[in-house]
Amino acid sequence: AQSVAQPEDQVNVAEGNPLTVKCTYSVSGNPYLFWYVQYPNRGLQFLLKYITGDNLVKGSYGFEAEFNKSQTSFHLKKPSALVSDSALYFCAVRERGGFSNTGKLIFGQGTTLQVKP
Amino acid sequence: DADVTQTPRNRITKTGKRIMLECSQTKGHDRMYWYRQDPGLGLRLIYYSFDVKDINKGEISDGYSVSRQAQAKFSLSLESAIPNQTALYFCATSHSGGRELFFGEGSRLTVL
Repeated sequence: AQSVAQPEDQVNVAEGNPLTVKCTYSVSGNPYLFWYVQYPNRGLQFLLKYITGDNLVKGSYGFEAEFNKSQTSFHLKKPSALVSDSALYFCAVRERGGFSNTGKLIFGQGTTLQVKP
Repeated sequence: DADVTQTPRNRITKTGKRIMLECSQTKGHDRMYWYRQDPGLGLRLIYYSFDVKDINKGEISDGYSVSRQAQAKFSLSLESAIPNQTALYFCATSHSGGRELFFGEGSRLTVL
């Protein structure tokens, strides 16, 4: 069965420090991978995606993510955290291609990022 | 104006009542989705639709129904609401050739 795991319910970092939010997946083949962010009382906003090519993907707000096929991971990173980065982050995966592909995303359970001044 | 609009944003209702959550989009996308968010569980897919005549069940469709009234409108109904349907509901859209989803702001439903 397809699944996405975010092993940390919460990540705490100090402002200015690098941050990592972890994600591993279990999907057949080579999936598409995504990160979304949710601010309080808001919908999910798309951050970045991995489709193909370079394993390091750059996205919005200075975030990037590293795809590691052998470890089936897609960790979200940022070199220098901001207090305004505090939010709930979701990793998601989608099967690649095919006529029957539904386009639906499978989400992890979410990780709360808390950045302290 | 939001590209994906959900109404109502907040609703409190009682057990047994019928509830409809509405979603409309101006993105011109043909695919629409309803997800449910619960703390610690992430988002789970309730129903999805590829076009007006194509509606499919997701992983947690029991107790829910949907209607795709037009390409731009996709409604979620709870025929007889129960307390464990208390959750945050999201509508999302995507282009048939696209990969990422675009989400509405969410509808928070509380069933007493």
